[in-house]
Amino acid sequence: NAGVTQTPKFQVLKTGQSMTLQCAQDMNHNSMYWYRQDPGMGLRLIYYSASEGTTDKGEVPNGYNVSRLNKREFSLRLESAAPSQTSVYFCASSGQGASSYEQYFGPGTRLTVT
Amino acid sequence: GDSVTQMEGPVTLSEEAFLTINCTYTATGYPSLFWYVQYPGEGLQLLLKATKADDKGSNKGFEATYRKETTSFHLEKGSVQVSDSAVYFCALSGIDTGGFKTIFGAGTRLFVKA
Repeated sequence: NAGVTQTPKFQVLKTGQSMTLQCAQDMNHNSMYWYRQDPGMGLRLIYYSASEGTTDKGEVPNGYNVSRLNKREFSLRLESAAPSQTSVYFCASSGQGASSYEQYFGPGTRLTVT
Repeated sequence: GDSVTQMEGPVTLSEEAFLTINCTYTATGYPSLFWYVQYPGEGLQLLLKATKADDKGSNKGFEATYRKETTSFHLEKGSVQVSDSAVYFCALSGIDTGGFKTIFGAGTRLFVKA
């Protein structure tokens, strides 16, 4: 089991460029999430997908779009990157039943926008 | 709304010292409570959890007890090691947060000196 995988691990973009962050999980989880982590700000939820076919905005969705491609994959797209989007991005997933509220995190993508 | 407050860091301890990281929460229902740990350069991973009042979660020598009367879930360890240096996040989740969304505290950084 790989758990939650994210690509790329590092990325540098220029202002205005676009990119897609990829996330996949092999735990058959229903729910998937995208967070950003900034110094002193903790984790902030960008978007989430409660189940395949649904997506919803989180706390800080502006400037981002998401796609739940299938049950395994959940991608995050920056259409026109801005320096304020410099951050570490984490994807997470959670299952159902007794363990439904535990989240499993990927290793993160460190994004710098210049 | 629901929220989690944890003590500010950094916390600096010598090896074999006793650790307490305070966490209090506000919730309208009966959430599950969690401690997550983040080692440098990695994503968060679940350290321990408790799903109802008076439950004690434990793992790797860490413990926390779900105290409904004081709305607290303090993390403790009797003897810390250098390898425990990390950032610790208190979190809550449950039906009243939407069934799957997790509310994270801001994180407490722990440094353990040899």
